[in-house]
Amino acid sequence: DTAVSQTPKYLVTQMGNDKSIKCEQNLGHDTMYWYKQDSKKFLKIMFSYNNKELIINETVPNRFSPKSPDKAHLNLHINSLELGDSAVYFCASSQSVSSYEQYFGPGTRLTVT
Amino acid sequence: GENVEQHPSTLSVQEGDSAVIKCTYSDSASNYFPWYKQELGKRPQLIIDIRSNVGEKKDQRIAVTLNKTAKHFSLHITETQPEDSAVYFCAAMGTYKYIFGTGTRLKVLA
Repeated sequence: DTAVSQTPKYLVTQMGNDKSIKCEQNLGHDTMYWYKQDSKKFLKIMFSYNNKELIINETVPNRFSPKSPDKAHLNLHINSLELGDSAVYFCASSQSVSSYEQYFGPGTRLTVT
Repeated sequence: GENVEQHPSTLSVQEGDSAVIKCTYSDSASNYFPWYKQELGKRPQLIIDIRSNVGEKKDQRIAVTLNKTAKHFSLHITETQPEDSAVYFCAAMGTYKYIFGTGTRLKVLA
């Protein structure tokens, strides 16, 4: 009965590689988000999609490319990984773009070596 | 730009005492203010929220107050317990997105 799920939970990879993180929500929500939480625990929004359309792109390097095949899924693809990409990435969803409550996934800990 | 300041960054209290965490936001258009609790290795979870048309909201041992004029809002936890130990984040909802505070690591000492 997991509401927002992410895979994988852990991802260890080398610099220069390309990797993807997947997110799925079964809440019937229209809006999904990607957040990055760095080693100092700062939570910062990266992207937001509403009904498969990009509505927020917070000046993230274009090595990061989100894709939403349908409104229940929002994936994050990262090209040419760098050491500074190491962080925990959280997916979240909300009922609509103007809804207040956001529900977070369990996070994906990405380590770039 | 939009900004949320949160203080203190760390807070240690004795079990049974109260804890207060304060946030200040910059976007006067913000109208929703959630508080999230994040335990070690876990996801942020919403514990309480307040909308701009309300000055105070309480849910058992936790309460949130909002002063829209001063752009301040605070989290109050009474009768703290060891399981309250976690990182707490405030947030202000701007245009279609949350702006999070920098987090407060709360330690409740038994």
